[in-house]
Amino acid sequence: KQEVTQIPAALSVPEGENLVLNCSFTDSAIYNLQWFRQDPGKGLTSLLLIQSSQREQTSGRLNASLDKSSGRSTLYIAASQPGDSATYLCAVSENSGYSTLTFGKGTMLLVSP
Amino acid sequence: NAGVTQTPKFRILKIGQSMTLQCAQDMNHNYMYWYRQDPGMGLKLIYYSVGAGITDKGEVPNGYNVSRSTTEDFPLRLELAAPSQTSVYFCASSSAGTYNEQFFGPGTRLTVL
Repeated sequence: KQEVTQIPAALSVPEGENLVLNCSFTDSAIYNLQWFRQDPGKGLTSLLLIQSSQREQTSGRLNASLDKSSGRSTLYIAASQPGDSATYLCAVSENSGYSTLTFGKGTMLLVSP
Repeated sequence: NAGVTQTPKFRILKIGQSMTLQCAQDMNHNYMYWYRQDPGMGLKLIYYSVGAGITDKGEVPNGYNVSRSTTEDFPLRLELAAPSQTSVYFCASSSAGTYNEQFFGPGTRLTVL
């Protein structure tokens, strides 16, 4: 059974720092990996999707990498801002059909001014 | 596009009551999903659907029922509510044409007392 782990569970940084969030998964036979952002009391917003054949995806100050063989992904946030404060969730899907997601428990990020 | 919409936003039920959580999407996605999110536990899949008339159980289906009569709508029915069903419920949808990237609704926060 696929398991997804996110480290650290919580992270507090001052504004302007570059930071890395980690995600690992136990079964490397994935179809894709998604990173989501969740603000308190809100739904999930998709940030980046990496297909299994890709190594990385970028969107603005966010860069996600994927190393399928080692079962790892990282989300790099450059020049963090207080508005980046949220919980970041990693999820993997294992087939190209209906593709249900297996989620990690998330990393709660606080960026202080 | 409204994306994925859910109603109601909040609900308090008494033990033994029943209710239906509504979910609709306007992106013409084939696949739809129901998840529940409990504090510190991540998201768990309740039910999913690969198209109108086709549904299947996820990881935690007990106490719930679903139906999918149209592409747009995927309601979740709670029968005989129990305190263990206190949670935040998220509906999501995806399409094989966009690598099954999942898009989430804003959630329904349910309390059973």
